[in-house]
Amino acid sequence: NAGVMQNPRHLVRRRGQEARLRCSPMKGHSHVYWYRQLPEEGLKFMVYLQKENIIDESGMPKERFSAEFPKEGPSILRIQQVVRGDSAAYFCASQGQGDEKLFFGSGTQLSVL
Amino acid sequence: SQQGEEDPQALSIQEGENATMNCSYKTSINNLQWYRQNSGRGLVHLILIRSNEREKHSGRLRVTLDTSKKSSSLLITASRAADTASYFCATVQTGANNLFFGTGTRLTVIP
Repeated sequence: NAGVMQNPRHLVRRRGQEARLRCSPMKGHSHVYWYRQLPEEGLKFMVYLQKENIIDESGMPKERFSAEFPKEGPSILRIQQVVRGDSAAYFCASQGQGDEKLFFGSGTQLSVL
Repeated sequence: SQQGEEDPQALSIQEGENATMNCSYKTSINNLQWYRQNSGRGLVHLILIRSNEREKHSGRLRVTLDTSKKSSSLLITASRAADTASYFCATVQTGANNLFFGTGTRLTVIP
């Protein structure tokens, strides 16, 4: 039973480009969370999704950021027109129905040049 | 913000000693969880304590929860070099599903 898979592991983008981060939850998990982490800091909640629904996006910047979790396929966190301040580690976590703990992926380190 | 605050920010101890980390939070909660993060990796769940529990044990881990003070502590007994990591508390606010993480304690265990 594979864990939460995130790819790419590292992503380098120039300012103004788009970044697409993918997350495949654990088998059978229908809840996905995205978090952002800056060096030496904790995780900042961004968005909580269930299949085909955004449940809570209160942590997402209003512009340039979007997330989806389609019926088929991985969850995608999309950042348009990246800026240097978007450089961070982005972690995805999945959760089973009725479960309370999260299972994390290894993260995507986004570097914006 | 519902985020917790861990204390201390950094802790360095000798192998074999006990390590205690504290977490304070701001809102009423359903449960509080502790996670561990090795450098550059994702977080790993360690232990969960519910709002109606006061203490919980798992191996060398002991967690306490004081809802009146909105605080929790994580004790790691007989520490090992492999315990070196960052430790985060996370809370689930009453009526919500999201986990909000604290700022973390960086633990270094010196062999």
